Amino acid sequence: GENVEQHPSTLSVQEGDSAVIKCTYSDSASNYFPWYKQELGKGPQLIIDIRSNVGEKKDQRIAVTLNKTAKHFSLHITETQPEDSAVYFCAASTDTGRRALTFGSGTRLQVQP
Amino acid sequence: NAGVTQTPKFQVLKTGQSMTLQCAQDMNHEYMSWYRQDPGMGLRLIHYSVGAGITDQGEVPNGYNVSRSTTEDFPLRLLSAAPSQTSVYFCASSHNTGELFFGEGSRLTVL
Repeated sequence: GENVEQHPSTLSVQEGDSAVIKCTYSDSASNYFPWYKQELGKGPQLIIDIRSNVGEKKDQRIAVTLNKTAKHFSLHITETQPEDSAVYFCAASTDTGRRALTFGSGTRLQVQP
Repeated sequence: NAGVTQTPKFQVLKTGQSMTLQCAQDMNHEYMSWYRQDPGMGLRLIHYSVGAGITDQGEVPNGYNVSRSTTEDFPLRLLSAAPSQTSVYFCASSHNTGELFFGEGSRLTVL
């Protein structure tokens, strides 16, 4: 089955700096790669996703890049703010997520004011 | 529009007891799933359903049962609780876009 590895497990940045979280996946058939943000005591919430026919996608301060050849994808957050502090999960799926997402182990991002 | 509602939010069980975690969604989503979240391990899929009457196993199904008699409800049953089932459980639903909508979680402790 699919295996998703995520790095780093913790990340601390100064407010205004950029943050990058990286994930690799094992199943070359995976075609859907979402990123979820989980705030304390809450369920994860989708922040951005990318499909395999696209190399990069941006949404304001957040961007995701995908390298299918190397089987890795990354989340980039620019101009970080204290409210970006949370746990971020990457995931991969072979069926646009309808059947099963395989999640990475999570990255705890701390933005220092 | 409540989204995905999970009950209870907290539960303590003794080893061997049984219980049901409830999950309901009001978005008419055909796809529902249960994940467990453990420190350093992300979220792991337990069971999922692609519609009423249809369920399938995920990555870690042992010790859990599910059923899907209606579109709205997807309960997760622990038949004989074990300490290894101490975890935070999340229910999620989605339409065909792939975005999962998660509940707020149920924290289970098995003594």
